[in-house]
Amino acid sequence: DVKVTQSSRYLVKRTGEKVFLECVQDMDHENMFWYRQDPGLGLRLIYFSYDVKMKEKGDIPEGYSVSREKKERFSLILESASTNQTSMYLCASTLPNGIGELFFGEGSRLTVL
Amino acid sequence: SQELEQSPQSLIVQEGKNLTINCTSSKTLYGLYWYKQKYGEGLIFLMMLQKGGEEKSHEKITAKLDEKKQQSSLHITASQPSHAGIYLCGADEGGSGSRLTFGEGTQLTVNP
Repeated sequence: DVKVTQSSRYLVKRTGEKVFLECVQDMDHENMFWYRQDPGLGLRLIYFSYDVKMKEKGDIPEGYSVSREKKERFSLILESASTNQTSMYLCASTLPNGIGELFFGEGSRLTVL
Repeated sequence: SQELEQSPQSLIVQEGKNLTINCTSSKTLYGLYWYKQKYGEGLIFLMMLQKGGEEKSHEKITAKLDEKKQQSSLHITASQPSHAGIYLCGADEGGSGSRLTFGEGTQLTVNP
């Protein structure tokens, strides 16, 4: 069974803390994505990666960075968390130039106090 | 970037009723994807449509893509409480089949 695993389902952090959100997929997918989901705004793409050590900015990259050291792992980093980064974060992966089906993780709900 | 508008934003129906959710794009759709999300969880893939006029069905859910490839509809027949959740449409922005832009979602409640 294919799987995208996000390391933390729920996190509570304080303003200014550094936050790591980890995502691992076991499907040997080249493409990986980080979205955030907010009420009334839907899913918005933060960053994506088409290969190891490669990254591209999505629609809302400000305040975030990513790391793709291994094919199966794509990390989202909040260098200095702020309250407006409280959100549900969703990781996804897919094959390159494939059918386009994104496989999603269960999500990580981050609260920044 | 591509914008997707879903309607309605929320929907409450009685069990057994039929319903339709619409997804309209500001640009031609290279591919249109429907996902379902249970509250607080990840997205589950339902269907993908690529050709104008295409229609696909899975159990009691049918999705269509219009001939001009700018609008899609998702129809549920004889709704059940298990159909409740958030339905999201996603569009392939450039035809690569990889990067998707999503609509805001439609919250469906099915009352027993």
